[in-house]
Amino acid sequence: DGGITQSPKYLFRKEGQNVTLSCEQNLNHDAMYWYRQDPGQGLRLIYYSQIVNDFQKGDIAEGYSVSREKKESFPLTVTSAQKNPTAFYLCASKSSGQETQYFGPGTRLLVL
Amino acid sequence: EDQVTQSPEALRLQEGESSSLNCSYTVSGLRGLFWYRQDPGKGPEFLFTLYSAGEEKEKERLKATLTKKESFLHITAPKPEDSATYLCAGTNTDKLIFGTGTRLQVFP
Repeated sequence: DGGITQSPKYLFRKEGQNVTLSCEQNLNHDAMYWYRQDPGQGLRLIYYSQIVNDFQKGDIAEGYSVSREKKESFPLTVTSAQKNPTAFYLCASKSSGQETQYFGPGTRLLVL
Repeated sequence: EDQVTQSPEALRLQEGESSSLNCSYTVSGLRGLFWYRQDPGKGPEFLFTLYSAGEEKEKERLKATLTKKESFLHITAPKPEDSATYLCAGTNTDKLIFGTGTRLQVFP
């Protein structure tokens, strides 16, 4: 089955802790994206990557970091510098030359 | 500034009562207009991509249309299983610009 997987489904962060959210796709898509979703707001772009070993900041990159060492994987680290990390995090991917992005099931991050 | 606005915020329908959801956009050089369905606690599920004014796409009880200023998602004879939040997004680059969604509830 082709698709996008995110893990874990729920993640708890303690004060001052960095946490990493996983995103893997087996769709052979070139571009991958991380969004944050908060109640009453549209999805906001955190980071995106169009090719391996390259990525760009989105609209709300402060307090987050990413890497793109493999085409299939685009992990997101929520650092201790992100003061309001509680949100639903969504990963998406698309094929180059296409416009449509496809989404994973999401990870809900909660702060203890 | 590029922007996407959805209305209404919430919509309650009786089963079988047809209606439309609106997505107004000010996205210069629009390259695509997207509709997604999102169930609570899940990721958005892709429904349609529209590329140019006058284009229409259909899937079961849903039909999406596009003009130069807005898109409509028409729901014909909805069923309770159509209850979800419907998201609209536009793009003119490699990034999507999302609206805040319309929460649809369909009652038996």
